[in-house]
Amino acid sequence: NAGVMQNPRHLVRRRGQEARLRCSPMKGHSHVYWYRQLPEEGLKFMVYLQKENIIDESGMPKERFSAEFPKEGPSILRIQQVVRGDSAAYFCASSPPGQGYSPLHFGNGTRLTVT
Amino acid sequence: SQELEQSPQSLIVQEGKNLTINCTSSKTLYGLYWYKQKYGEGLIFLMMLQKGGEEKSHEKITAKLDEKKQQSSLHITASQPSHAGIYLCGADNKLVFGAGTILRVKS
Repeated sequence: NAGVMQNPRHLVRRRGQEARLRCSPMKGHSHVYWYRQLPEEGLKFMVYLQKENIIDESGMPKERFSAEFPKEGPSILRIQQVVRGDSAAYFCASSPPGQGYSPLHFGNGTRLTVT
Repeated sequence: SQELEQSPQSLIVQEGKNLTINCTSSKTLYGLYWYKQKYGEGLIFLMMLQKGGEEKSHEKITAKLDEKKQQSSLHITASQPSHAGIYLCGADNKLVFGAGTILRVKS
């Protein structure tokens, strides 16, 4: 029973390039959350998606960042024209559908380094 | 907007000692989650508290939510090196997390 899978684990991009981070939720989970973590800053919410829908993107920067969760395939967090300040660990988490307070299941993150 | 403040920011304890980590919310919580993160890995769910005054335990870790549902504490009894890591509290809406408490256990 595979957990949340994120790839790549490490990603190095030069300034101006695009970064694509992938997240496959746990089997049966239809809710996906993306977070960014900087040292000593904790976990910052970015976006919450369900299949083919963005539910809450209040934590996403207005420019260069986008996310999708298509009907088939993983969720993608895309960062265009990366800058040094985008360097961080990006975590994806999933939860099952339906109401109730179910905990999040996290992937091991993608560590993005912008050179 | 809601904020979760954790204290202390970090602590170092001798193996075998007890310790407590606190999480205070700026607003009343409908529920609170505790997670643990090891360096370079994702967060692992520990416990969830929903009711005021609720207390839950798992092995040597006990978490409590106060009656007003604005403060939670995580208590570790007889700490071990395996307890080392970052402990984070998270709000029920899954949008807000505390900054984390870094725990180091000296053997």
